[in-house]
Amino acid sequence: DGGITQSPKYLFRKEGQNVTLSCEQNLNHDAMYWYRQDPGQGLRLIYYSQIVNDFQKGDIAEGYSVSREKKESFPLTVTSAQKNPTAFYLCASRPGTVNTEAFFGQGTRLTVV
Amino acid sequence: QKEVEQDPGPLSVPEGAIVSLNCTYSNSAFQYFMWYRQYSRKGPELLMYTYSSGNKEDGRFTAQVDKSSKYISLFIRDSQPSDSATYLCAMSRSNDYKLSFGAGTTVTVRA
Repeated sequence: DGGITQSPKYLFRKEGQNVTLSCEQNLNHDAMYWYRQDPGQGLRLIYYSQIVNDFQKGDIAEGYSVSREKKESFPLTVTSAQKNPTAFYLCASRPGTVNTEAFFGQGTRLTVV
Repeated sequence: QKEVEQDPGPLSVPEGAIVSLNCTYSNSAFQYFMWYRQYSRKGPELLMYTYSSGNKEDGRFTAQVDKSSKYISLFIRDSQPSDSATYLCAMSRSNDYKLSFGAGTTVTVRA
């Protein structure tokens, strides 16, 4: 089955720790995205990547880092610099920019303990 | 002012009613418009995708785009309890990888 796989589904982080969220797609899509979702605030863009080895900051990139070493993979690291990391994180992918829709993974719920 | 405005609701309707959802936007360069449905603690799933102005129908769902008014709508006919979810609108410019989302409207369909 083609799709986007996010793992883990639930993740707990201690104060001061870095954690990495996985996102893998087998749709052969060029673009990949990371969004953060908080209650009542919709989706906010963290980072996006149009092509391998290239990525751009979104609206709330501070405290996060990404890499795009392979077309199918776009991991997100939540660093200790992110002061309020508890949220629902969504990964998405899109074939290109023209006449294309975005598809989402099932999300990772990150909680600071 | 946000680029995309969407009333968060909540919206509660009886089973069988028509659900009407809408978003307004400020950037006239938006060309591609999407509606997503998101169940609690799940990823959004694509419902409708439209390009430029006009209507598109798919089963019980109808999407409308009015670019002159910078207004998009989603109608759900014969609503079912299984339609209870949060509905997100999204849009993008031509040749732009970024997507802009509304805040989402929470809908409850009462049996």
